[in-house]
Amino acid sequence: EAQVTQNPRYLITVTGKKLTVTCSQNMNHEYMSWYRQDPGLGLRQIYYSMNVEVTDKGDVPEGYKVSRKEKRNFPLILESPSPNQTSLYFCASSYLGRAATGELFFGEGSRLTVL
Amino acid sequence: GENVEQHPSTLSVQEGDSAVIKCTYSDSASNYFPWYKQELGKRPQLIIDIRSNVGEKKDQRIAVTLNKTAKHFSLHITETQPEDSAVYFCAQGNRDDKIIFGKGTRLHILP
Repeated sequence: EAQVTQNPRYLITVTGKKLTVTCSQNMNHEYMSWYRQDPGLGLRQIYYSMNVEVTDKGDVPEGYKVSRKEKRNFPLILESPSPNQTSLYFCASSYLGRAATGELFFGEGSRLTVL
Repeated sequence: GENVEQHPSTLSVQEGDSAVIKCTYSDSASNYFPWYKQELGKRPQLIIDIRSNVGEKKDQRIAVTLNKTAKHFSLHITETQPEDSAVYFCAQGNRDDKIIFGKGTRLHILP
């Protein structure tokens, strides 16, 4: 089954404790991206990657890191989480290298709470 | 910076009536305009998209119209049903390979 898988789905952590949210897709998509969703703010892009070893900042990259060492994986790293990073996070992928012209396939989301 | 303005933020319509959601964008070079539906507790999913070389696209009860001159596009849902209740996001694909989303419209279908 074609899918984008995120883990963990739910996480409660404390300020400053490093965490990683994993994202994996089995569709051989070139493009992958991370979004955060907050009430009233819609979906805001954190980072995206158009291919292996290529990553770019989205609109809200501060406090986050990513890596793209393999085509299928695109982990989101919070080196020192803060309460303002409490949010619902979505990973997404697209079959086109240029995602500005193709459908995004979303993971199920990861709800993160930072105390 | 580039953005997408979406209106209204909340919309309530009687079951069977039509719903219209409108978005305006700033990047005149954009050529891809998708709409995503997000049901409560679920992930966003693409429901329809349009490219700049056409003015309208239909898929059963859903249609999207695009006016490139005015830089706005709209989602039209006819004969609304309870399962249409959701949050709808418009989006714009820009020249930097970003997909920029509107802030969403929460659609309520009233019985």
